Amino acid sequence: AQSVTQPDIHITVSEGASLELRCNYSYGATPYLFWYVQSPGQGLQLLLKYFSGDTLVQGIKGFEAEFKRSQSSFNLRKPSVHWSDAAEYFCAVGTMDSSYKLIFGSGTRLLVRP
Amino acid sequence: DSGVTQTPKHLITATGQRVTLRCSPRSGDLSVYWYQQSLDQGLQFLIQYYNGEERAKGNILERFSAQQFPDLHSELNLSSLELGDSALYFCASRGGAGYGYTFGSGTRLTVV
Repeated sequence: AQSVTQPDIHITVSEGASLELRCNYSYGATPYLFWYVQSPGQGLQLLLKYFSGDTLVQGIKGFEAEFKRSQSSFNLRKPSVHWSDAAEYFCAVGTMDSSYKLIFGSGTRLLVRP
Repeated sequence: DSGVTQTPKHLITATGQRVTLRCSPRSGDLSVYWYQQSLDQGLQFLIQYYNGEERAKGNILERFSAQQFPDLHSELNLSSLELGDSALYFCASRGGAGYGYTFGSGTRLTVV
């Protein structure tokens, strides 16, 4: 069965510092992978997605993620964090069946120090 | 505004009660998904409807049920509520093939 692991529950970085959020997935074939962001009181907003092709994916708000098949990882990165990036981040894998449902990781809460 | 409307935004109710959460999908989207976000379980897929028919089922309790109406809006019914049902319930809609999801802002349910 597919699963997603986000090993870091909380991460704190200083404003302007770089960021990497970790995501590991379990899936037999090439997965469809996603990163979503949830700001307080808001729904989920798609940051980026990977289906195939170039393993470095660019997203919105200056985020990027790299798919590494050998490590079953899809880590999210940003070179310089802004205070407005403080939110909860979810990695997800698509089930690749007719339902197109998503399986989410447990999330990583990002705190940004001024 | 994402185009997916969920009502109510907040709901406080007592144990043993029944509530109905409503979702209006983005215009033209035929698929509606319900997800539950709780502190201990994270974001869990509950159920999917496509054009009025149940398409996929996840970890949905027997006390919960859902339906999608001819106008494509969906309702999630939660009955015999327990404290552990307190959570944020998200609806998402999807149009066409692929993973073009649009999430609503959720309904926060508090059971007291």
